[in-house]
Amino acid sequence: DGGITQSPKYLFRKEGQNVTLSCEQNLNHDAMYWYRQDPGQGLRLIYYSQIVNDFQKGDIAEGYSVSREKKESFPLTVTSAQKNPTAFYLCASSRGWAQVIQYFGAGTRLSVL
Amino acid sequence: DAKTTQPPSMDCAEGRAANLPCNHSTISGNEYVYWYRQIHSQGPQYIIHGLKNNETNEMASLIITEDRKSSTLILPHATLRDTAVYYCIALYTGNQFYFGTGTSLTVIP
Repeated sequence: DGGITQSPKYLFRKEGQNVTLSCEQNLNHDAMYWYRQDPGQGLRLIYYSQIVNDFQKGDIAEGYSVSREKKESFPLTVTSAQKNPTAFYLCASSRGWAQVIQYFGAGTRLSVL
Repeated sequence: DAKTTQPPSMDCAEGRAANLPCNHSTISGNEYVYWYRQIHSQGPQYIIHGLKNNETNEMASLIITEDRKSSTLILPHATLRDTAVYYCIALYTGNQFYFGTGTSLTVIP
């Protein structure tokens, strides 16, 4: 089945640790996105990538980093510089940049130990 | 992009139509209205979008007022699986999406 796979579903981070969230898509989409969602809140854009080897900061990029070495993969690293990382992280993709239909993964819930 | 206003929560009886309103009084002529929904602890799912005309697909209908200042998403026969947060977004094509807090719809058996 085509879709977006995020892993792990749950992740725990220790103080000072970097953690990486995986996002893989087999939809052959050019654009990919990372969003953060806090409890009871909407989604906020962290980073996006329009094509391979290119990515741009969203509204809340500080403390996060990404790479886009392959079309199907867009991993997100939550660095130790992100002081409040506890949130629900969602990855999405679309056929092109800011296309109407974005397809979302099931999300990764990150907590701090 | 236009600001949208939605009621924070609504209830609907199972099998009845769910009508979810959205106000976008500052919308401009080239801004589309999009609807997504998010079932608890899952990623959002696209439902429908429109510019001026009413739209219908297998999931829902979208009714946009003639002055385009408001719209209504209609789920014709709500089921328990339609319980979710529904997001109404108005923006120019090519701009990034901003998902607000939406309307939490509860379908009651």
